[in-house]
Amino acid sequence: RKEVEQDPGPFNVPEGATVAFNCTYSNSASQSFFWYRQDCRKEPKLLMSVYSSGNEDGRFTAQLNRASQYISLLIRDSKLSDSATYLCVVNPIDSWGKLQFGAGTQVVVTP
Amino acid sequence: DAGVIQSPRHEVTEMGQEVTLRCKPISGHNSLFWYRQTMMRGLELLIYFNNNVPIDDSGMPEDRFSAKMPNASFSTLKIQPSEPRDSAVYFCASSLSVGARPGEQYFGPGTRLTVT
Repeated sequence: RKEVEQDPGPFNVPEGATVAFNCTYSNSASQSFFWYRQDCRKEPKLLMSVYSSGNEDGRFTAQLNRASQYISLLIRDSKLSDSATYLCVVNPIDSWGKLQFGAGTQVVVTP
Repeated sequence: DAGVIQSPRHEVTEMGQEVTLRCKPISGHNSLFWYRQTMMRGLELLIYFNNNVPIDDSGMPEDRFSAKMPNASFSTLKIQPSEPRDSAVYFCASSLSVGARPGEQYFGPGTRLTVT
């Protein structure tokens, strides 16, 4: 079983709509959680950290459910520029810096 | 400010040749990471350094791979001899190890390696 699992998608989303997707992680001792964004043939870029209480950054909302070991990302009012692959990232408590990346969820926003 | 710099951006080489990938981290960052990304395996951590010292190289696939960080502003990843299965995108990333969350890493543009 992979340590971080994501639905690969693609999620096809009309412009202006809302899309949400989850990621599950297997290590209950995981300490820190992040969403990265990767555009085609580009490097991953940090989108946002995920805090225990849930957090919002503009049109993006991240939630963490430790009991069920999943993280979610919701994108409101989708823009064409949101089309990308979203990587779920987990850092176990005993392995500073050894990030575990999911394979990514592809989002395609259509006009 | 300049981000993480990697060179070359593209490398095509023949099986058996030595390949050296280079990385310059963001100034002031004291942790440096080498990753490999393929369609089949996704993004994998190969090795990371903290204050120029290798901390964990458990992700290095085999003895053909080696990495060095002679100073705070430069690191190399070497493959000798290269094999076709080494074809991938190799990313370097840097971060601060103090005062920052460990997931806040900044990636370079990557080196796209093709071994024929």
